[in-house]
Amino acid sequence: QQQVKQSPQSLIVQKGGISIINCAYENTAFDYFPWYQQFPGKGPALLIAIRPDVSEKKEGRFTISFNKSAKQFSLHIMDSQPGDSATYFCAASLKTGANNLFFGTGTRLTVIP
Amino acid sequence: NAGVTQTPKFQVLKTGQSMTLQCAQDMNHNSMYWYRQDPGMGLRLIYYSASEGTTDKGEVPNGYNVSRLNKREFSLRLESAAPSQTSVYFCASSPRGTGNLKAFFGQGTRLTVV
Repeated sequence: QQQVKQSPQSLIVQKGGISIINCAYENTAFDYFPWYQQFPGKGPALLIAIRPDVSEKKEGRFTISFNKSAKQFSLHIMDSQPGDSATYFCAASLKTGANNLFFGTGTRLTVIP
Repeated sequence: NAGVTQTPKFQVLKTGQSMTLQCAQDMNHNSMYWYRQDPGMGLRLIYYSASEGTTDKGEVPNGYNVSRLNKREFSLRLESAAPSQTSVYFCASSPRGTGNLKAFFGQGTRLTVV
């Protein structure tokens, strides 16, 4: 079963708008929540990550909001640009073990000029 | 600075054929991973190697074998390819002590089994 549920599957946003991608999980043992960005023909690249002891982390135009009680987290892209068009994956990780990273199903973001 | 290099980039196999996907990293990372990416499924871990000389099964290991040839290289072998193995395969590596949290991914191998 999917350990991390991600929505929406695809998203179209106008340039300058805010892109929001949501993820939810059930396993309370998860303790690290990264987001990956993948451009066509490329491998995923770590974009930003958060631990559950904080409710928000911001890096430039990218912000993760984390709601521990609801077991949800989301990626906000402010002032979205055409260059942000990519597929975004959320993930969740267990504290121990190398086989510990579980990915969401991905969101294809298209930012139109 | 090449990072993680995968070969080939594209491959078409007939059902029952075998092949080996190659992966090499030049970052002196201890751990290496093979993932497959399917539409609507995200990335799923096939096998991983926490350090040179060790390999372990991930979430979807059936139909695959791996070899950690040395610290740099980690290969994935399909002994008898099946259409269900049509996918995009990613190799990744990560530094010691980070598990796959700081993984760097290769560009992928798009495999089609007909």
